[in-house]
Amino acid sequence: EAEVAQSPRYKITEKSQAVAFWCDPISGHATLYWYRQILGQGPELLVQFQDESVVDDSQLPKDRFSAERLKGVDSTLKIQPAELGDSAMYLCASSHTGGRNTEAFFGQGTRLTVV
Amino acid sequence: GDSVTQMEGPVTLSEEAFLTINCTYTATGYPSLFWYVQYPGEGLQLLLKATKADDKGSNKGFEATYRKETTSFHLEKGSVQVSDSAVYFCALSSSGNTGKLIFGQGTTLQVKP
Repeated sequence: EAEVAQSPRYKITEKSQAVAFWCDPISGHATLYWYRQILGQGPELLVQFQDESVVDDSQLPKDRFSAERLKGVDSTLKIQPAELGDSAMYLCASSHTGGRNTEAFFGQGTRLTVV
Repeated sequence: GDSVTQMEGPVTLSEEAFLTINCTYTATGYPSLFWYVQYPGEGLQLLLKATKADDKGSNKGFEATYRKETTSFHLEKGSVQVSDSAVYFCALSSSGNTGKLIFGQGTTLQVKP
């Protein structure tokens, strides 16, 4: 069964360092999402791609976060510099196409701890 | 803006008990509604969905009905099992038809033998 792959599963980094997460969506899925899930809360969308284009990055803290999906396939989310408040689970999801009825498939996430 | 409110947990039940997890929403337009489940150590999985008013989503013995008049999408199961222990998230598709999901805060369910 096809899955959304994310790496690493866990990451510990020091404050002010750079950190990057990788996501490989299900083959053929045009839409890719990055969500952030703070402990005890539901996921919140950071950025959404349709192929290689950004559709929504309104909640992405652009002074320190960046995301790219250069060939419209896999994607990288970067934080530089990391802050203590960035400790969270970072979830990648993909769907065949965007749209209100479309099922999004989630990866297992990357748990980031900033110390 | 759009939002989802879930009943707070954790919810602790004995095996074979009846489950209800309340979910209400605020949205412009006519969103689709979803329940996702997160088992320990795993990613979120779609449990069920409903795309219009009065639709009932169902899967694995779980059910939820899209109630537009009460803006609710409560999750129910008649007889829970230990294997149902997980975190359950109610979500809606935001206006704009992009597929963006707005999640509730999640409800932890623990089922004891």
